[in-house]
Amino acid sequence: GNSVTQMEGPVTLSEEAFLTINCTYTATGYPSLFWYVQYPGEGLQLLLKATKADDKGSNKGFEATYRKETTSFHLEKGSVQVSDSAVYFCALSDRAFGNEKLTFGTGTRLTIIP
Amino acid sequence: DTAVSQTPKYLVTQMGNDKSIKCEQNLGHDTMYWYKQDSKKFLKIMFSYNNKELIINETVPNRFSPKSPDKAHLNLHINSLELGDSAVYFCASSQARGLGETQYFGPGTRLLVL
Repeated sequence: GNSVTQMEGPVTLSEEAFLTINCTYTATGYPSLFWYVQYPGEGLQLLLKATKADDKGSNKGFEATYRKETTSFHLEKGSVQVSDSAVYFCALSDRAFGNEKLTFGTGTRLTIIP
Repeated sequence: DTAVSQTPKYLVTQMGNDKSIKCEQNLGHDTMYWYKQDSKKFLKIMFSYNNKELIINETVPNRFSPKSPDKAHLNLHINSLELGDSAVYFCASSQARGLGETQYFGPGTRLLVL
């Protein structure tokens, strides 16, 4: 079946540091890939997505590139801010028997220290 | 102007009780979902409805019964609550069922079963 593996957290960085959160996936077909972010006490919101190989999703300074050859979708940001502190979820959407659904990774908690 | 809303936000109840959680979306979307997030932040889909029709049922105990009176609402009724049902339940919606469709999440309902 489908699965998403994220790097274990928590991750703690200083402000302006470079961020990478690794994500790899297993899927039977050609999935779409997503990063969702969950701020404390809130629901998830889409951060970025990519729907085919070599696509790059980007938003708010975050980027991720859909790498089919390595089945990866790593999240990067060049200079993090305190406001980026949240839980980040990698996810894939795949069509199984006609029913699309999101499969999530376990989430990575990120804390940015001023 | 909340896009996806859930009520109640918090729910504390005794084992064995029956409770309902309501979800409404004002985005005009066709598809709605219920997810369960456990204490370790792991998110798993429970149900999905498209135009009031059940399309995904992820081996959830039959104590959980979703109901969609119209495509803007998806409620979740839980019978005979158990300690293991304690979690955060998120409702979400998407425009359609396409692979790359973004899902929009509600703020969550925090259920605690004592």
